[in-house]
Amino acid sequence: KAGVTQTPRYLIKTRGQQVTLSCSPISGHRSVSWYQQTPGQGLQFLFEYFSETQRNKGNFPGRFSGRQFSNSRSEMNVSTLELGDSALYLCASSLTRDPYNEQFFGPGTRLTVL
Amino acid sequence: GQSLEQPSEVTAVEGAIVQINCTYQTSGFYGLSWYQQHDGGAPTFLSYNGLDGLEETGRFSSFLSRSDSYGYLLLQELQMKDSASYFCAVRGDSGAGSYQLTFGKGTKLSVIP
Repeated sequence: KAGVTQTPRYLIKTRGQQVTLSCSPISGHRSVSWYQQTPGQGLQFLFEYFSETQRNKGNFPGRFSGRQFSNSRSEMNVSTLELGDSALYLCASSLTRDPYNEQFFGPGTRLTVL
Repeated sequence: GQSLEQPSEVTAVEGAIVQINCTYQTSGFYGLSWYQQHDGGAPTFLSYNGLDGLEETGRFSSFLSRSDSYGYLLLQELQMKDSASYFCAVRGDSGAGSYQLTFGKGTKLSVIP
């Protein structure tokens, strides 16, 4: 079956703009988590969605938001972009919220803020 | 909260064995996972330990000691394609019945001929 897909794969924005990233989980997977990956901070948890509700949120400012649709597809939005938001944004899906479920990662969206 | 420590870099010779250690601190514990990430790629799941002991999957093995808050990933018969970053990740309580997966900073493994 198809894996996790993310669009777009690459994005260049300027400071102050906003951006929306999209994630389609593996068919049947209902939990979607988002991570930010940077060379300095590594992989950091942004938020988790399940059944269209945000279930968990990492330590990021309110400029970072997301949502999940009824088909489990998810979007994340970053407003008022800052240079430090340049990163690889990864989406991961899992079957349920059971902590023992494996997470499957998408290829990521590489965001560059100029 | 959760935190993990793992070495930043390891170099090993093709055909050899390498062990990547991981120590963690977490509130609540639901297991230790290992992920592999090649440059420019996405993390891919390697193994999961929920209970103490050794889990083996082909050339890769992972060990967990919950009493020591310690685990390791063992890679045997190293191949050049094993050159990648390896992340340990712990799933712990983040409150209100939520479980958060927290990753270590990653260990960059370089396999040399």
